[in-house]
Amino acid sequence: ILNVEQSPQSLHVQEGDSTNFTCSFPSSNFYALHWYRWETAKSPEALFVMTLNGDEKKKGRISATLNTKEGYSYLYIKGSQPEDSATYLCASPNYGQNFVFGPGTRLSVLP
Amino acid sequence: DSGVTQTPKHLITATGQRVTLRCSPRSGDLSVYWYQQSLDQGLQFLIHYYNGEERAKGNILERFSAQQFPDLHSELNLSSLELGDSALYFCASSVTQGGEGSTNEKLFFGSGTQLSVL
Repeated sequence: ILNVEQSPQSLHVQEGDSTNFTCSFPSSNFYALHWYRWETAKSPEALFVMTLNGDEKKKGRISATLNTKEGYSYLYIKGSQPEDSATYLCASPNYGQNFVFGPGTRLSVLP
Repeated sequence: DSGVTQTPKHLITATGQRVTLRCSPRSGDLSVYWYQQSLDQGLQFLIHYYNGEERAKGNILERFSAQQFPDLHSELNLSSLELGDSALYFCASSVTQGGEGSTNEKLFFGSGTQLSVL
């Protein structure tokens, strides 16, 4: 059974700080790695879909990297803003048939 | 707005009852995934349908069943409800069927159905 881990579980940073968190997944039978942002009272929204080792994606102040050989992905947020407060989920397809989500990293950005 | 519609948004019912949750995927999306999020739990995969056929099944209880209709909307049926079934149920859609080569298609989530079993 595919197991996707995320760390830390939660994170509190000050506005303007840069931060990063980790998603770990099995490196064998890798298909893709997704990152989603889940704001309170809303539904998860896709940030990035990454498929190639060494992939780097960027969207505004948020970027992500992927290492499929060692089974991890980092999500970086530069100059955190209060509106970045959310739970960040990563997900990996299980044998390509369904998406297994990690438990998420809950980010709180304090003004 | 993701384009995925879930109804109802909230559902309050009693133990032993049966409920049906409905999901309409984005226009053009053939895959529907159902997830359950319980308190302090991550998103738990329940079941995946593609173009009317079941593609994958997760930790879905025997009391739960789902189907996808010809118009591609999907229903999740929960029966003999227990207190522990209280959770937020999401559906998500994507255009592809999943499988190697197509898992770079992101998921679009509905707003969820909050089920409370009293």
